[in-house]
Amino acid sequence: QLQLQESGPGLVKPSETLSLTCTVSGGSIGSTTYYWGWIRQPPGKGLEWIGCIYYTGSTYYSPSLKSRVTISKDTSKSQISLKLNSVTAADTAVYYCASLRKAVTAVDYWGQGILVTVSS
Amino acid sequence: DIQMTQSPSSVSASVGDRVTITCRASQGISNWVAWYQQKPGKAPNLLIYAASSLQSGVPSRFSGSGSGTDFTLTISSLQPEDFATYYCQQANIFPLTFGGGTKVEIK
Repeated sequence: QLQLQESGPGLVKPSETLSLTCTVSGGSIGSTTYYWGWIRQPPGKGLEWIGCIYYTGSTYYSPSLKSRVTISKDTSKSQISLKLNSVTAADTAVYYCASLRKAVTAVDYWGQGILVTVSS
Repeated sequence: DIQMTQSPSSVSASVGDRVTITCRASQGISNWVAWYQQKPGKAPNLLIYAASSLQSGVPSRFSGSGSGTDFTLTISSLQPEDFATYYCQQANIFPLTFGGGTKVEIK
């Protein structure tokens, strides 16, 4: 069973870059079965898909965030990374790492989530 | 982007009630819909994929139906642990998009 664990700073200043890492255990991020992605949820609001990466390195991003976001992977470390630059208070959210089963493009496994607050 | 319009945004129900939540896609997406349950402070949990396939370990009181643009999640007999927020997600094409959520509250 896959386990995903997010890590990174819980506080980021406006205009700076938000950087998070997701460490995957119980499976390989080189697997053809899954996309590896990020989803966020502002406090009290709904879910927003940020983007995902496949084992080939192909990436898919939300159009509204595409100009600011980069998702990458380090297969040797079994890690997925998220970078979101030029953050504002609107980027304050719980950020979830997620594994999406490719065959049905649904999230089988979620990390516990990490709250990132953008504030000076 | 494909928009997912979910209704109602909230529903009050009693234990044992049948609850139906709907999701409408802005364009046809075949059967590519997933449904999730989220409890406060927790990550969402996959209930249904491909519109009607029950995820392993999910109770059979949950069911999904629909194709094209209109989809439904039904809880046949609401249990105390089912009070939560439910989201639909279109799985047809990137970018993936979610419905706005339906909060199922105790009546």
